[in-house]
Amino acid sequence: GESVGLHLPTLSVQEGDNSIINCAYSNSASDYFIWYKQESGKGPQFIIDIRSNMDKRQGQRVTVLLNKTVKHLSLQIAATQPGDSAVYFCAENQGGKLIFGQGTELSVKP
Amino acid sequence: GAVVSQHPSWVICKSGTSVKIECRSLDFQATTMFWYRQFPKQSLMLMATSNEGSKATYEQGVEKDKFLINHASLTLSTLTVTSAHPEDSSFYICSAESGSGETQYFGPGTRLLVL
Repeated sequence: GESVGLHLPTLSVQEGDNSIINCAYSNSASDYFIWYKQESGKGPQFIIDIRSNMDKRQGQRVTVLLNKTVKHLSLQIAATQPGDSAVYFCAENQGGKLIFGQGTELSVKP
Repeated sequence: GAVVSQHPSWVICKSGTSVKIECRSLDFQATTMFWYRQFPKQSLMLMATSNEGSKATYEQGVEKDKFLINHASLTLSTLTVTSAHPEDSSFYICSAESGSGETQYFGPGTRLLVL
């Protein structure tokens, strides 16, 4: 079936370095993608989104890249901080429903 | 803006009892609300979609008679876990969107433990 998946379940980075979290999706018809951050015991927090008519979108310290050719999505976090430690999920909007990837746990070392 | 609350934040109940969880959009009207459950170290799984004033649409494998959803207003949806059993213990999270296809904003979640 259609699914959204992640390449890496865990990622450990040094404080101040840049982080890159990857996601692969399989439904080429999907046109809206979202990245969420989830801290332990809390609900997902919206980070950034991108529609399929774009290949890059920037926010504050975050950038999302979309490669429709290979159905790949990435989240880049600049100057990673300890507060960025969390699980990051990509989600694909399929007909109004969000299909979540498995998640990547980001750990930031001071 | 776009704040979603849930109540209670955690609940412990005995097996066989029913538990009601509320989801509210605080600063916007939510045409659609969604209910998810999440087991430890796993992703979110959509349980059902609810639209104000109509019956909820359940995902395959989710028992509608066990997980009762009521979307009485544009700011409130409730999920009732009926005759709860230990296997229903999970983290239940709701989300709300202000318009079709718009960004979903999530509540803080409700931790349910059934003894």
